[in-house]
Amino acid sequence: QVQLQESGPGLVKPSETLSVTCTVSGGSFSGYYWSWIRQPPGKGLEWIGYVDHSGGTIFSPSLRSRVSISLDTSGTQFSLFLTSMTAADTAVYYCARTSYDFWSGQIYIWFDSWGQGTLVTVSS
Amino acid sequence: SSDLTQDPTVSVALGQTVRITCQGDSLRNFYASWYQQKPGQAPVLLIYGKNKRPSGIPDRFSGSSSGRTASLTITGAQAEDEADYYCNSRDSRGHHVGVFGTGTQVTVL
Repeated sequence: QVQLQESGPGLVKPSETLSVTCTVSGGSFSGYYWSWIRQPPGKGLEWIGYVDHSGGTIFSPSLRSRVSISLDTSGTQFSLFLTSMTAADTAVYYCARTSYDFWSGQIYIWFDSWGQGTLVTVSS
Repeated sequence: SSDLTQDPTVSVALGQTVRITCQGDSLRNFYASWYQQKPGQAPVLLIYGKNKRPSGIPDRFSGSSSGRTASLTITGAQAEDEADYYCNSRDSRGHHVGVFGTGTQVTVL
């Protein structure tokens, strides 16, 4: 059974770049996409973006200008980078295995396995 | 404002049936997936595609869709079903994936 584990800095200063890594064990990278999702304290979920097994990426329009996601060549990790961090980016950051299918020519995704999440606080 | 709207709170008596709805224009053309999140825990996938359940998800959870509304039904709610529930699909124009609904907090009385 696949397991995902996030690792992050815990605390980031305003204007800095966040780097969070997800380590995947017990499953293959191929055949899935790999997403980042965040949740501010007491609020709802926000999808950030995903990377496919070849390194291609799709991002949420609201974060596209500040986000990148990369796939480690070892095939066991993928990472989120979010620039120009502000207090509004304080959240629990989750990584998730993302399954997909196609319906009427359009892709449809769902998040079938999640990490436990890592809290990132933006503060000076 | 979110492209996928859910009622903020819903309550259900133990053993009864509750329907959690998700409304949005994209749902006329795209499936919703549903997630359960308990306090301090990561979300768990409940429903995807046309009412498909991952292994291990009880069959008291089911999904359906009509027009611009997707629904998650819990038939015979249990105490452990008290949680937040989120739908996920596309934005209102259907251009972008990964949009979450506003979330519904379910209380089991």
